[in-house]
Amino acid sequence: DTEVTQTPKHLVMGMTNKKSLKCEQHMGHRAMYWYKQKAKKPPELMFVYSYEKLSINESVPSRFSPECPNSSLLNLHLHALQPEDSALYLCASSQSRGQGNTGELFFGEGSRLTVL
Amino acid sequence: AQSVTQPDIHITVSEGASLELRCNYSYGATPYLFWYVQSPGQGLQLLLKYFSGDTLVQGIKGFEAEFKRSQSSFNLRKPSVHWSDAAEYFCAVGGLTGGGNKLTFGTGTQLKVEL
Repeated sequence: DTEVTQTPKHLVMGMTNKKSLKCEQHMGHRAMYWYKQKAKKPPELMFVYSYEKLSINESVPSRFSPECPNSSLLNLHLHALQPEDSALYLCASSQSRGQGNTGELFFGEGSRLTVL
Repeated sequence: AQSVTQPDIHITVSEGASLELRCNYSYGATPYLFWYVQSPGQGLQLLLKYFSGDTLVQGIKGFEAEFKRSQSSFNLRKPSVHWSDAAEYFCAVGGLTGGGNKLTFGTGTQLKVEL
């Protein structure tokens, strides 16, 4: 099993809603990532978790709240988003330190978010 | 700071023709280099990677890339393009940190294949 699974695939929400994006992997990876990708742009790193602890936060606004409840799951909680937050949100996983890390990230297919 | 430049925003080739996508990087140490491909509305799929050893690396779908330290380049090649290769291609550079792999992506090259 070499998949990173993201749900939902599509999400439409209002600016006052609270929603969550979910990501799951069963490759035994201990690092998980959230990226944001706007149309025709490269992915931009938002957060990195290593061994379920937040290790990198790329100065993301607090209306995005990540959570890593266990080694296989990664959530992104969304609250009070703005229309400019509409984008494809990609989850990825990789080996972390102590796992023979060879550097590559494995990506899910993304959650397409539209904020009205 | 690490950075990646992909100078070609769009490339159009005929099916069966050869392909080369350019990538130049800036990194303070020996880099980890990657090429990813993204079809519309999809996630990113790893084509190949380099972090040490032979500077010519083979990947999936018949792609290869050559690491040239003197030119800070990691160009992607394919001898004969198929229509299904039409997609967005991203070069990425990164390094291992204590808490994961911090990859920086180039702006991408959109490949169009003419039948």
